[in-house]
Amino acid sequence: KQEVTQIPAALSVPEGENLVLNCSFTDSAIYNLQWFRQDPGKGLTSLLLIQSSQREQTSGRLNASLDKSSGRSTLYIAASQPGDSATYLCAVISGTYKYIFGTGTRLKVLA
Amino acid sequence: DGGITQSPKYLFRKEGQNVTLSCEQNLNHDAMYWYRQDPGQGLRLIYYSQIVNDFQKGDIAEGYSVSREKKESFPLTVTSAQKNPTAFYLCASRVGEGRLGTEAFFGQGTRLTVV
Repeated sequence: KQEVTQIPAALSVPEGENLVLNCSFTDSAIYNLQWFRQDPGKGLTSLLLIQSSQREQTSGRLNASLDKSSGRSTLYIAASQPGDSATYLCAVISGTYKYIFGTGTRLKVLA
Repeated sequence: DGGITQSPKYLFRKEGQNVTLSCEQNLNHDAMYWYRQDPGQGLRLIYYSQIVNDFQKGDIAEGYSVSREKKESFPLTVTSAQKNPTAFYLCASRVGEGRLGTEAFFGQGTRLTVV
């Protein structure tokens, strides 16, 4: 059974720092991995999608990498800003077409 | 604009009452999903549908029911059999099983509270 874990559960950093969020999954047979952002009381906003054949994706200050063989993905946020404060979730989709989510990393960027 | 619309944003249910949460998408997506989110827990899958008139149970389907009569609509009914329905409910859609490398899009959620 696919399980997704995100470390750390919470993170607090000063503005301007570069930071890395981690996501690991137990079954490497995935079709894609997607990173989301969730603000309090809101739905999920898609940040980056990495297909199984890809190694990384970039969007602005965000870079996500995927290592299927080791069951890991990282989300790199450059030059963090207070507006980046949110919960970041990763999810994988595999053989049963279901998205399996991690429990998220709650990020707070201090001004 | 294309997207997923969930309504209502807030919903209050009395004990023993059935309530229905609406999810509509105009993205022409085949696949639709319902998730439940509780504080401190990840999203848990309730039901999903890969095509019209077909749907499958997720990990926590007990006490819930769905229908998929139209491609754009996937309503979720929380029945009186669901003993702890207070949660944040999220609906999502994606292109479909033939396009596994495509991303999922989420609605803004419905917060259900039992009163």
